[in-house]
Amino acid sequence: DADVTQTPRNRITKTGKRIMLECSQTKGHDRMYWYRQDPGLGLRLIYYSFDVKDINKGEISDGYSVSRQAQAKFSLSLESAIPNQTALYFCATSDRGQEAGELFFGEGSRLTVL
Amino acid sequence: GQNIDQPTEMTATEGAIVQINCTYQTSGFNGLFWYQQHAGEAPTFLSYNVLDGLEEKGRFSSFLSRSKGYSYLLLKELQMKDSASYLCAVKNSNYQLIWGAGTKLIIKP
Repeated sequence: DADVTQTPRNRITKTGKRIMLECSQTKGHDRMYWYRQDPGLGLRLIYYSFDVKDINKGEISDGYSVSRQAQAKFSLSLESAIPNQTALYFCATSDRGQEAGELFFGEGSRLTVL
Repeated sequence: GQNIDQPTEMTATEGAIVQINCTYQTSGFNGLFWYQQHAGEAPTFLSYNVLDGLEEKGRFSSFLSRSKGYSYLLLKELQMKDSASYLCAVKNSNYQLIWGAGTKLIIKP
């Protein structure tokens, strides 16, 4: 089983619908992130959390919200989906105790908004 | 602004050597990462450089020159499974990761 699990893996929805992407991890890491990936662009950070009670906006947080329900769970919500939110979304974790702090990614959630 | 530049696509032959370059302009520097991403899959960590010089890890090596804002990833003895995108990312002075768009590497037999 994957250490970082995202659900759903694929989702097609309509404009205006509320969507939640869920992420859970078994790595025991305290830091969790949500990124989106679009063709021709680098990964862009949506939100990140360094602890259960810590939530921070990334560079493209507008139109998104998050919830850190537990150390192992971090969910991303699109309150009212729009077509330009069509993208591949990745959840990631990192360990603050590691010097490099490399990221461990989930398998991705492909979202299509019609 | 902050940006990471890498070639969009490169082609190489199985068994050969390829060098993927990355140049960066960021507000400060706290390390540079290379990740590998196969099509439709998650990025996976390859290497981390924080000091100038070459870091070797098996068939893969990564080089950093902080004064030039430059890094490269060197892949030796290329295998078909090395066909993937290679992402360069820099951690800036605020410990934020700035990502390049990735270099798609195509390996031909």
